[in-house]
Amino acid sequence: GAGVSQSPSNKVTEKGKDVELRCDPISGHTALYWYRQSLGQGLEFLIYFQGNSAPDKSGLPSDRFSAERTGGSVSTLTIQRTQQEDSAVYLCASSLGVGTAAYEQYFGPGTRLTVT
Amino acid sequence: AQTVTQSQPEMSVQEAETVTLSCTYDTSESNYYLFWYKQPPSRQMILVIRQEAYKQQNATENRFSVNFQKAAKSFSLKISDSQLGDTAMYFCAFLYHNFGNEKLTFGTGTRLTIIP
Repeated sequence: GAGVSQSPSNKVTEKGKDVELRCDPISGHTALYWYRQSLGQGLEFLIYFQGNSAPDKSGLPSDRFSAERTGGSVSTLTIQRTQQEDSAVYLCASSLGVGTAAYEQYFGPGTRLTVT
Repeated sequence: AQTVTQSQPEMSVQEAETVTLSCTYDTSESNYYLFWYKQPPSRQMILVIRQEAYKQQNATENRFSVNFQKAAKSFSLKISDSQLGDTAMYFCAFLYHNFGNEKLTFGTGTRLTIIP
């Protein structure tokens, strides 16, 4: 079946603009995760959804970052007033949430965000 | 907080040889999951293998196997009969399942190059 998809694959934006990144998880996966990958910080957890609820937002670096998930499916990560330090690859992952493979996270191809 | 350490930033090996990537972790939990992910230049994170901490038997997936030493908090990945397509960054990751807290904690990665 189809894997996790993310759009856009690349995004270049000017400092101070808002951006929206989209994630379509694998069909039937109840859990969805956002991570950020940058040269200086490695792979960092941002936020986790179970269904439409976000029990863990501990990784969001500032209040400029927010995320939502609707219909237990698509998720959008929004960064307001982008800064140069937001430049990174944003990765989305999903997992079944139940069963023996409940915690296997499958990743999308990522969105490379460049803030100029 | 959990930490994951990969002490080998880069490794290279001849095609068809066997290579072992090291990973250690620190946790006070007893039930958790460990994973190895592969990230080729295409940027897509690919799940290679999973190990549940409560299982004594080491996980294997075709040419990939792990050596899980729970007391030593060590989780190494062995790649047998290495192939050119194995060239990638390899990340070791830890997950402690606690409702509302299911994030992956990653190591810094090992860049593996398979030499023809």
